[in-house]
Amino acid sequence: NAGVTQTPKFQVLKTGQSMTLQCAQDMNHNSMYWYRQDPGMGLRLIYYSASEGTTDKGEVPNGYNVSRLNKREFSLRLESAAPSQTSVYFCASVSWARNEKLFFGSGTQLSVL
Amino acid sequence: GQQVMQIPQYQHVQEGEDFTTYCNSSTTLSNIQWYKQRPGGHPVFLIQLVKSGEVKKQKRLTFQFGEAKKNSSLHITATQTTDVGTYFCAGPGSGGSNYKLTFGKGTLLTVNP
Repeated sequence: NAGVTQTPKFQVLKTGQSMTLQCAQDMNHNSMYWYRQDPGMGLRLIYYSASEGTTDKGEVPNGYNVSRLNKREFSLRLESAAPSQTSVYFCASVSWARNEKLFFGSGTQLSVL
Repeated sequence: GQQVMQIPQYQHVQEGEDFTTYCNSSTTLSNIQWYKQRPGGHPVFLIQLVKSGEVKKQKRLTFQFGEAKKNSSLHITATQTTDVGTYFCAGPGSGGSNYKLTFGKGTLLTVNP
């Protein structure tokens, strides 16, 4: 049981490049989340998907897009990376109906030069 | 929208001293969750509080949920070096957005052995 798997673990981009962060969970969770973590800023919600087929903006959605590909997978795309998007990105999932806790992936450290 | 404020931002203690972090919300919360993140790691769920005035204990950790369900605290008795990390509170959004889980900025605890 892998839990929440994020890829890649590390990535360096040049300004303007695009990339997709992948996230998959094998716990049959309905809800999935993308957070970014910056020093002194805590965890800020980028986008979330309450259930398969739905996505909603979080606190800091600008510059990002998401796709809930199926129940297992929730990807985060940076269309034109900017240095301000240098951060650690965490994916998380939960089944609120089962009153479970939020499970986090191990994170992606992204640097935009 | 709902905001979760957490204080202090940093706390340094001598091993054996007590530690408390506080979480305050601008709106009434249906529940509040606490997470711990070790340095270099990902957040890990500690506990969820649901009832007004609820108090839960996990060994040396005591969690409280305020009577008005707008504030919460985490108290650690006799800290140990294994308690080092950042402690986050998190609450669901208001206005029906229960899926929109937002985090406080966290309290970084360091322990001097």
